[in-house]
Amino acid sequence: EAGVVQSPRYKIIEKKQPVAFWCNPISGHNTLYWYRQNLGQGPELLIRYENEEAVDDSQLPKDRFSAERLKGVDSTLKIQPAELGDSAVYLCASSFGEDTQYFGPGTRLTVL
Amino acid sequence: QQQVKQSPQSLIVQKGGIPIINCAYENTAFDYFPWYQQFPGKGPALLIAIRPDVSEKKEGRFTISFNKSAKQFSLHIMDSQPGDSATYFCAASWGGNQFYFGTGTSLTVIP
Repeated sequence: EAGVVQSPRYKIIEKKQPVAFWCNPISGHNTLYWYRQNLGQGPELLIRYENEEAVDDSQLPKDRFSAERLKGVDSTLKIQPAELGDSAVYLCASSFGEDTQYFGPGTRLTVL
Repeated sequence: QQQVKQSPQSLIVQKGGIPIINCAYENTAFDYFPWYQQFPGKGPALLIAIRPDVSEKKEGRFTISFNKSAKQFSLHIMDSQPGDSATYFCAASWGGNQFYFGTGTSLTVIP
């Protein structure tokens, strides 16, 4: 069974540029999470989806971050414009309901 | 505010040793306490998890000890191997809602 797929794996952009990350969760998983992991830190939740509904986006910086999960499957996280402090690994995870979260490999973003 | 406090930040043990990683929490509503293992360039992977109705859980060489009254839980790795060298994160959640992660422990097992 394929795991959580994320792309791209690495992205280098200049500040003020837009960037987007894509996530394909494990088939059948209705819950999808986006996390940000700074170097040497644990993941921090940005947004959680139940099917296509964002049920927790309290930690998402809405002035520059946006996310969508059309049809309740794939999801895209966007940053526009990116700032230096956005450099981090962006992790996507999925689960079936409240069960175990399965993480993707992440996208390492570097903002210059 | 850090919901879950993890220590130590790093740990070095000899092969066969028993590293112990500790976590503490404040929110008594938490009802699920997983541990994740993360290798460089990979996402975290669930290692073992416990709910507060039990005080200990073992899966292979990994054991979680849970102290509900002290609001602490710890991970023990028996007969540690060089392949166990990774970063370990504890986490806590309630009702499958937001997961709060600790800051991580970098474990190095020396052959």
